[in-house]
Amino acid sequence: AQSVTQPDIHITVSEGASLELRCNYSYGATPYLFWYVQSPGQGLQLLLKYFSGDTLVQGIKGFEAEFKRSQSSFNLRKPSVHWSDAAEYFCALRGDSSASKIIFGSGTRLSIRP
Amino acid sequence: EPEVTQTPSHQVTQMGQEVILRCVPISNHLYFYWYRQILGQKVEFLVSFYNNEISEKSEIFDDQFSVERPDGSNFTLKIRSTKLEDSAMYFCASELARYEQYFGPGTRLTVT
Repeated sequence: AQSVTQPDIHITVSEGASLELRCNYSYGATPYLFWYVQSPGQGLQLLLKYFSGDTLVQGIKGFEAEFKRSQSSFNLRKPSVHWSDAAEYFCALRGDSSASKIIFGSGTRLSIRP
Repeated sequence: EPEVTQTPSHQVTQMGQEVILRCVPISNHLYFYWYRQILGQKVEFLVSFYNNEISEKSEIFDDQFSVERPDGSNFTLKIRSTKLEDSAMYFCASELARYEQYFGPGTRLTVT
């Protein structure tokens, strides 16, 4: 079965500290992987995506993620968080065919300690 | 940069009423989707649409739901008789082909 697991429901980090949000997936082949960010009451903003090639992908706002096939993981990282990074973060996957639905994880809420 | 738009941004309706949520996908895109997010929960797939027919639908997408692309630009989601549990944020998305899905800003539906 296809699924995305985000084991951390809520994480709090201090401003300026590094961040890693965990994501594990279950999929029969190599999926397309995404990280989205959502501020309260807002829509979904794509942070980064992995389709193929280099397993370390760079995204917007200083975020990066690393695809590890052996661990079925796609963890999101940022070296130094800012207060404006406080939001809900969703890891997601889809298959590589057209009209393939996106499957979202349950999200990790990030709070920033001043 | 082209974007997906959705109207209205917020819709309040009474239980049992019909609602139509509207989306204008990016103009050259071929695949269209609806997702929903109940408050505090994850985003869930409802339906995908291509070549004027449904490609896939989830178990949530029952007979109360329908989609259509009436005029080649709009993509609509109709809920025939709304229930309290239909209250959610509804996102439209469009895709060119095997690439990224572009999401609209969402319509918040409140059923009272």
